[in-house]
Amino acid sequence: KAGVTQTPRYLIKTRGQQVTLSCSPISGHRSVSWYQQTPGQGLQFLFEYFSETQRNKGNFPGRFSGRQFSNSRSEMNVSTLELGDSALYLCASRDGDDNQPQHFGDGTRLSIL
Amino acid sequence: AQSVTQLDSQVPVFEEAPVELRCNYSSSVSVYLFWYVQYPNQGLQLLLKYLSGSTLVKGINGFEAEFNKSQTSFHLRKPSVHISDTAEYFCAVSEGGSYIPTFGRGTSLIVHP
Repeated sequence: KAGVTQTPRYLIKTRGQQVTLSCSPISGHRSVSWYQQTPGQGLQFLFEYFSETQRNKGNFPGRFSGRQFSNSRSEMNVSTLELGDSALYLCASRDGDDNQPQHFGDGTRLSIL
Repeated sequence: AQSVTQLDSQVPVFEEAPVELRCNYSSSVSVYLFWYVQYPNQGLQLLLKYLSGSTLVKGINGFEAEFNKSQTSFHLRKPSVHISDTAEYFCAVSEGGSYIPTFGRGTSLIVHP
């Protein structure tokens, strides 16, 4: 099976712009979660989608949003970018059960100038 | 609510020496436990998991971990490390019924020749 695929791998934006990141989960996985990873804050949970519905949400402002399509692919959108949004954004998928591990993509490195 | 503490932010060790990376968690219910490894510019890769049964869990790359319920710990060990084990290691805990695992802040394992 192919792993979790995230595109693009690297992205450079300027303050005030918006960005959309994409994640294709492992085939058959219906749960997709997004995380922000920074040196100062570590791994922070953004949100999780399951069968096209947001099932869980972390403590991020409304500028961060996401969606999931019927084929389980997911997108994450960040509007009005700030310098502090510079981070590695990781997507993880699993088959939906809470006792199963998440499988991570290699992430999208977002840099804000 | 669950929380995860990785007691060491950095662990330096010489090649072929044994290593232990410590992880403690707090939870009042049954838990599922995971260790992940992250190499530079990559996502997280599952090393091993504890769901139930034997408290000694063996994973990939020669790593093992022991679940100690009374001490609420899940320490990761390897009897002899290699240079290639240099990476960031994350402990994660998921409570039964919670779909989102909580991650520790990570431990940087640095293997010196």
